[in-house]
Amino acid sequence: EIVLTQSPATLSLSPGERATLSCRASQSVTGLVAWYQQKPGQAPRLLIYDGSNRATGVPARFSGSGSGTDFTLTISSLEPEDFAVYYCQQCFNWPRGTFGQGTRLEIK
Amino acid sequence: QVQLVQSGPEVKKPGASVKVSCKTSGYDFSPYGISWVRQVPGQGLEWMAWVSANNIKTYYAQNFQDRVTLTTDTSATTAYMELRSLRSDDTAVYYCARNLRGSSPDYWGQGTLVTVSS
Repeated sequence: EIVLTQSPATLSLSPGERATLSCRASQSVTGLVAWYQQKPGQAPRLLIYDGSNRATGVPARFSGSGSGTDFTLTISSLEPEDFAVYYCQQCFNWPRGTFGQGTRLEIK
Repeated sequence: QVQLVQSGPEVKKPGASVKVSCKTSGYDFSPYGISWVRQVPGQGLEWMAWVSANNIKTYYAQNFQDRVTLTTDTSATTAYMELRSLRSDDTAVYYCARNLRGSSPDYWGQGTLVTVSS
């Protein structure tokens, strides 16, 4: 099984700051990583697929990068609505798409 | 617009079964499959299984393969997940999500809370 490790577990930042979230895979997953945002009581929302492609309707302040084993989700300037939990998921081993354990982005 | 609407919350006793439905609309059902993902309260996301829209192909995570059955009704554009021999640690929110073969899920249902308690 491919294990995804996200860091940090919690990230405390202020609106307007830049957020950098990391996802590391236990083996190469080429570029096949997605990023999801989840707010309390809501379903996950797809932000990024195939490493760097923004999903429909996702603001341009969200960007994804990386390949192989190391991936990054960057939020260029945090808006109040961006504070949530973020998960990465690999689909290299589709359909067994394992998720990372999540990074909680909280308001400082 | 694309929508996946799941059935309501369930409370079950240990050993019972539960069947959760996922009614889809707003897209051509055929090319896509449906993934099921669960989330124990306060914890992360866990992929359970995937079914093709035409019900021909299914894949199950090892943790669930003996207790889960996925089906679809193409005429109703609805997918179903049945989980048997429920245990207290099956208490979780169960999500359905649409995805193409080889891709990550894009649209998700609202989730169904299944509570297992004696």
